[in-house]
Amino acid sequence: QVQLQESGPGLVKPSQTLSLTCTVSGGSISSGGYYCSWIRQRPGKGLEWIGYIYYSGTTYYNPSIESRVIISLDTSKNQFSLELSSVTAADAAVYYCATMPATNYWFFDLWGRGTLVTISS
Amino acid sequence: EVVLTQSPGTLSMSPGERATLSCRASQSVSSTYLAWYQQKPGQPPRLLIFGASNRAAGIPDRFSGSGSGTDFTLTISRLEPEDFAVYYCQQYGSSLWTFGQGTKVEIK
Repeated sequence: QVQLQESGPGLVKPSQTLSLTCTVSGGSISSGGYYCSWIRQRPGKGLEWIGYIYYSGTTYYNPSIESRVIISLDTSKNQFSLELSSVTAADAAVYYCATMPATNYWFFDLWGRGTLVTISS
Repeated sequence: EVVLTQSPGTLSMSPGERATLSCRASQSVSSTYLAWYQQKPGQPPRLLIFGASNRAAGIPDRFSGSGSGTDFTLTISRLEPEDFAVYYCQQYGSSLWTFGQGTKVEIK
């Protein structure tokens, strides 16, 4: 059974870069069976899709934050990562990695437990 | 961007009752691209329904989804104690995935 686990600093200073990694176990991100996504949930707010990466390296980002986001893949470690630059207090959130099956339906079927990121100097 | 508006914001119900949650889209959404999730405190969202009406693996049949176009509904036929949670709808359209703001189902 595929499982996802986020890791990374829980505290980031304003204007710096937030970096998180999602480790996938029980399945290979190179299989092409799903898209690897990042989603965040800001305090008291709903869920916001950030972007995805496919095993081929193809990426697609939410236009609202596209200029600050990079999602990358490390197939040797079965991991994918998120970098969000120039963070502000508005980027404080629980960040989830999730998989989206490569089907015609476009939903998120598996989620990591999430990691809370605080933005503070 | 397709905006999803969920109503009501909070639903106060008793165990055993039927709950009906609404998700309205700002423009037409393909049923294929409409999903529902359940989230409990401190946990990630859990997929319930995809393609508007298809239950995900392991989801009890008391959960059902319906709707088309701009109006979608999640129905819980008989609320169990473990069903009290926040529910989100999600859509894919115009190359963007968006979520509703959620409906909290609380114990009355």
